[in-house]
Amino acid sequence: DQQVKQNSPSLSVQEGRISILNCDYTNSMFDYFLWYKKYPAEGPTFLISISSIKDKNEDGRFTVFLNKSAKHLSLHIVPSQPGDSAVYFCAASSNNDMRFGAGTRLTVKP
Amino acid sequence: KAGVTQTPRYLIKTRGQQVTLSCSPISGHRSVSWYQQTPGQGLQFLFEYFSETQRNKGNFPGRFSGRQFSNSRSEMNVSTLELGDSALYLCASRLTSAANTGELFFGEGSRLTVL
Repeated sequence: DQQVKQNSPSLSVQEGRISILNCDYTNSMFDYFLWYKKYPAEGPTFLISISSIKDKNEDGRFTVFLNKSAKHLSLHIVPSQPGDSAVYFCAASSNNDMRFGAGTRLTVKP
Repeated sequence: KAGVTQTPRYLIKTRGQQVTLSCSPISGHRSVSWYQQTPGQGLQFLFEYFSETQRNKGNFPGRFSGRQFSNSRSEMNVSTLELGDSALYLCASRLTSAANTGELFFGEGSRLTVL
């Protein structure tokens, strides 16, 4: 049951440009959303989150946007840096459940 | 403060065997979740434990089981291993009991290869 979907398996951008990663969810009970970054041979690390009472949250170069009516969230990275190259997972949670998408592999080219 | 610790980091088993993986959460964290990561499937939720009780379970066969001890350490067991069980098994802990109030902290995972 794919309650959280990341339809783009990979994304390639040039250094300095914007990276936009997308995520869709189906369960309307989800009210807290997170993005994680994962490097090879490491566990995922938390990046940024957003509550359903907001539609935008910013942290430095990272901004997450939430469109509840469309059940869609996106992560913007500006400007993108080669060190941002990793797999990005979005997650959606309700009180007792957290589900992850399949991930998007971001490659930032120098 | 020590992070989430998983052991062993790597292991190789043959079909039909069983395996036990261990996870020590961050001190003070009582919620422990397990995920399976395979290429193309992302992080598939296995189960979550809180205060020694299984609170939630994903869509995996009964061969996959887990438990949590009074010190919040958790183990997961996979019996009658199949080739398709080859994956990275990730453990994560959380300080809060509610899944929508804080982030999960992940360990580095246990890489299982089934031959």
